[in-house]
Amino acid sequence: DVKVTQSSRYLVKRTGEKVFLECVQDMDHENMFWYRQDPGLGLRLIYFSYDVKMKEKGDIPEGYSVSREKKERFSLILESASTNQTSMYLCASTTPAGSLWSYTFGSGTRLTVV
Amino acid sequence: QQQVKQSPQSLIVQKGGISIINCAYENTAFDYFPWYQQFPGKGPALLIAIRPDVSEKKEGRFTISFNKSAKQFSLHIMDSQPGDSATYFCAARRGSEKLVFGKGTKLTVNP
Repeated sequence: DVKVTQSSRYLVKRTGEKVFLECVQDMDHENMFWYRQDPGLGLRLIYFSYDVKMKEKGDIPEGYSVSREKKERFSLILESASTNQTSMYLCASTTPAGSLWSYTFGSGTRLTVV
Repeated sequence: QQQVKQSPQSLIVQKGGISIINCAYENTAFDYFPWYQQFPGKGPALLIAIRPDVSEKKEGRFTISFNKSAKQFSLHIMDSQPGDSATYFCAARRGSEKLVFGKGTKLTVNP
């Protein structure tokens, strides 16, 4: 089975800190995604990447950046954390090969900014 | 503009009952409609999916009903169990584009 691993389950950071959220997948998937999940708002796409060194903005990219230097790793960066970035962050990966490809999600990182 | 509208936002069902979650979409080019299930503390996982060339797909107690003319699809959970308590997301996609998710339904099945 595909495994998507997010490095931290829980993080507490201070306002203004630079925060790195790491995601690694082990199945050579081309596509990787970062979402945030908030009650009542569902899954909102922050950034995604279709290949190494490629990135595209999702629906809510403000305050975030990403890095994909290797195919298996996709990092989400909060340049200067703010309290409104307190959320659950989910990473996902997929490959367009096959007729019914689906996303595989990590277990999430719950970030609290104080 | 929300491309996939999901309802209800929350649902409480008694054990043994039928849980029904509905989704409506706008883009007639969508060609793949999956449902994801998310337990507390976990990421969403693919539950069941359907393509628009069929009207129904069943896997165990879970059934997707698809109405192409109405641009609606729904998830039915028969004989709902407390272990089915989770958040459910519908989604849609066109070709190899990224998935568009509904906002989710929190299902609680009371014993």
